[in-house]
Amino acid sequence: RKEVEQDPGPFNVPEGATVAFNCTYSNSASQSFFWYRQDCRKEPKLLMSVYSSGNEDGRFTAQLNRASQYISLLIRDSKLSDSATYLCVVRPYNFNKFYFGSGTKLNVKP
Amino acid sequence: DAGVIQSPRHEVTEMGQEVTLRCKPISGHNSLFWYRQTMMRGLELLIYFNNNVPIDDSGMPEDRFSAKMPNASFSTLKIQPSEPRDSAVYFCASSPGTSGGNEQFFGPGTRLTVL
Repeated sequence: RKEVEQDPGPFNVPEGATVAFNCTYSNSASQSFFWYRQDCRKEPKLLMSVYSSGNEDGRFTAQLNRASQYISLLIRDSKLSDSATYLCVVRPYNFNKFYFGSGTKLNVKP
Repeated sequence: DAGVIQSPRHEVTEMGQEVTLRCKPISGHNSLFWYRQTMMRGLELLIYFNNNVPIDDSGMPEDRFSAKMPNASFSTLKIQPSEPRDSAVYFCASSPGTSGGNEQFFGPGTRLTVL
């Protein structure tokens, strides 16, 4: 079983739509959680960390559900520039090792 | 400030040849990671170093792969001999801490094609 599982998509949404991605992780001892964004043929870049109480950064909201072992990313008022692949990332407790999901592809259309 | 630097950006080689990928982490970062990304398998961690010491190389596919970090500002990933199935994008990343929980900063990657 993979450490981190994501729906590969693609999610095709119109501009202005709200879209949500989920990601599940298998290790209940996981400690840190992140969402990274990867544009086509580019390197992954940190979008946001995910905190236990949930956190928001502009149009982006991240949530963590430890009981069900999933994290989510909500994007409001989608922009064309949000088109990318979103990678869910999990770090087990006391390890400096990140486990990346395979990514969810988002296409925002005019 | 310069980010993580990788070279070459593209490499095309023939099966059986030796390939060396290079990485310069961000100055002051204590951890360095080598990843491989393919469509089929996604982003896989190959090996990571803390303070120039290899900590976990369980992701290295086989003995054909080796990685070194002779000092805090340089690391290499070597494949010898290369095979067509090694074709992938190889990313190097660095982070400021060794205890985890810190953002990893990725280099632009090396796109390797083995014919």
